[in-house]
Amino acid sequence: GAVVSQHPSRVICKSGTSVKIECRSLDFQATTMFWYRQFPKQSLMLMATSNEGSKATYEQGVEKDKFLINHASLTLSTLTVTSAHPEDSSFYICSARGIGANVLTFGAGSRLTVL
Amino acid sequence: AQTVTQSQPEMSVQEAETVTLSCTYDTSESNYYLFWYKQPPSRQMILVIRQEAYKQQNATENRFSVNFQKAAKSFSLKISDSQLGDTAMYFCAFMTHLSGGYQKVTFGTGTKLQVIP
Repeated sequence: GAVVSQHPSRVICKSGTSVKIECRSLDFQATTMFWYRQFPKQSLMLMATSNEGSKATYEQGVEKDKFLINHASLTLSTLTVTSAHPEDSSFYICSARGIGANVLTFGAGSRLTVL
Repeated sequence: AQTVTQSQPEMSVQEAETVTLSCTYDTSESNYYLFWYKQPPSRQMILVIRQEAYKQQNATENRFSVNFQKAAKSFSLKISDSQLGDTAMYFCAFMTHLSGGYQKVTFGTGTKLQVIP
């Protein structure tokens, strides 16, 4: 079945630094990747949608200069949290949709802690 | 805008019993997809079952089945013969196609299911 690898699973960084999270589709080509943020005991909040080779589409209220998304190939999308602050601490999840597929496959998530 | 509502924040069920999780949604679209995802304590989102809106037949995957009522915009999940491994958060999700080939997926707030031994 379709597998999405998300790395790192946990990351701790100092305030003001940048952190990159990778999302890879291992056995399929992902035309669309979604990035979500999940607060404790809450649902998934869509941050942005990225299509390969195009600029990401950000949801209202999500700072695109803060959360940089790159989808340079059909198997890789990255989320960079720039100048991270403690309030950016959260669980970030990516998901990918394959060509012609109508289902999302999720990565295992990345827990970001900003000190 | 699409909305997905899960009115049961928490539920519990005895092992081997049957439980139904409810989900309603609101959309003006005619063609869309509905999903139930499971998020166990590991937090890995796992697809449980999906339903295409144009199909009248309810989807079934082993112990999991749905009751899809398109007119009522209802999409409930029935778990039969509940197992301890079914303990998880369950999210109902709705996917529609937007112009330009984009998709948008909206998730409900989730139902925390506890299976009791």
